[in-house]
Amino acid sequence: NAGVTQTPKFRILKIGQSMTLQCTQDMNHNYMYWYRQDPGMGLKLIYYSVGAGITDKGEVPNGYNVSRSTTEDFPLRLELAAPSQTSVYFCASSYSREGETQYFGPGTRLLVL
Amino acid sequence: DAKTTQPPSMDCAEGRAANLPCNHSTISGNEYVYWYRQIHSQGPQYIIHGLKNNETNEMASLIITEDRKSSTLILPHATLRDTAVYYCIVRPLNAGNMLTFGGGTRLMVKP
Repeated sequence: NAGVTQTPKFRILKIGQSMTLQCTQDMNHNYMYWYRQDPGMGLKLIYYSVGAGITDKGEVPNGYNVSRSTTEDFPLRLELAAPSQTSVYFCASSYSREGETQYFGPGTRLLVL
Repeated sequence: DAKTTQPPSMDCAEGRAANLPCNHSTISGNEYVYWYRQIHSQGPQYIIHGLKNNETNEMASLIITEDRKSSTLILPHATLRDTAVYYCIVRPLNAGNMLTFGGGTRLMVKP
């Protein structure tokens, strides 16, 4: 299993541009998550999904959108990039809500100038 | 979720045990203690979790005090590769698996 994969690894955006961060997991996990991590800080939850077709907001959802059309994929969309969205983005997945551990991807480093 | 308090940084000599403390004085009865770590530039990695009994796996041991207000993560023989930020997280078992990461403890293992 590849686990959780994320693309791209690094991206520079101009203010106002849009992009989609890709996340795929091959562990047949029901739950998937998007976190952001600002320098020197802990992770903050952006959005999560409990299964295909179901998504919900986390702690910091503003400026982002998600979709979950399949079990494997959970893309994160930035519509109008702002400098405040400069961060490292981590995708994670877990099998169920019953205390299963989360498995994280390697992250996408985003710089908005 | 209960709040956790961890020291911002710790040093440990290579080969020695690393003992990382965590205070969670407001923990409630249905909340578990989880530990994750994040090696530089990588995604967080699960280490261990427990409710009230001490737990051990291939990576570490978790010691939870009888009143459950604090816990200690023990890496029995720290190596340079254990240098990372360690996060102590308290959450209910059925909280939708959402994790709330605080500042963590930056552990530096030195030769």
